[in-house]
Amino acid sequence: QSALTQPASVSGSPGQSITISCTGTSSDVGAYDSVSWYQHTGKAPKVMIYEVTNRPSGVPDRFSGSKSGNTASLTISGLQAEDEADYYCSSYARSTTLVVFGGGTKLTVL
Amino acid sequence: EVQLVESGGGLVKPGGSLRVSCAASGFSFSDNTMTWVRQAPGKGLEWVSSISSTTTYIYYADSVEGRFTISRDNAKNSLSLQMNSLRAEDTAVYYCARWRDDNYYLDYWGQGTLVTVSS
Repeated sequence: QSALTQPASVSGSPGQSITISCTGTSSDVGAYDSVSWYQHTGKAPKVMIYEVTNRPSGVPDRFSGSKSGNTASLTISGLQAEDEADYYCSSYARSTTLVVFGGGTKLTVL
Repeated sequence: EVQLVESGGGLVKPGGSLRVSCAASGFSFSDNTMTWVRQAPGKGLEWVSSISSTTTYIYYADSVEGRFTISRDNAKNSLSLQMNSLRAEDTAVYYCARWRDDNYYLDYWGQGTLVTVSS
């Protein structure tokens, strides 16, 4: 059960856009349109994107997701200070497991 | 309002056992797959185990298979994780979360409970 691969850190200035990549395999990210993204600030993680591109109610439309092949991406446009957090991607990975997470990316808003 | 409240964390010696629980409210617990996810200090999120609504399907991460047992009591809206043969590397905050069977993601999470395995 290998974790999905994310960059350890990204940074951007307020108002800029950043993209976080999430690379898996043809058994997880590439096999299902079931990639989700979570924001974690030390409290309960919060889902920001599900099914690759969908935003739950209440999540700003500055957050968007996409996927190409075995790599999914989270883009945050118009960065705000409150976006500073750890972000984790996750994919459905139906085999003997259910879910696989990425290693996490620390977003710093400069 | 959906609420998930974990309890039962604490300090335990290597080789020991501990049971953590999650009290659910604000939704139809018996209709939902539930999941445990953990985060070791300085590490990322790690999926641990999931159990379907009627316990038909149970899944474990390789790292805990054979040592941890997930269970649920639908009458009490409660989820549990029995952890045996604990190791230092099991030290983590354990989160309870609801799994969406229709969209394959975790939509609600608890605040977590800390389990520390140390002599």
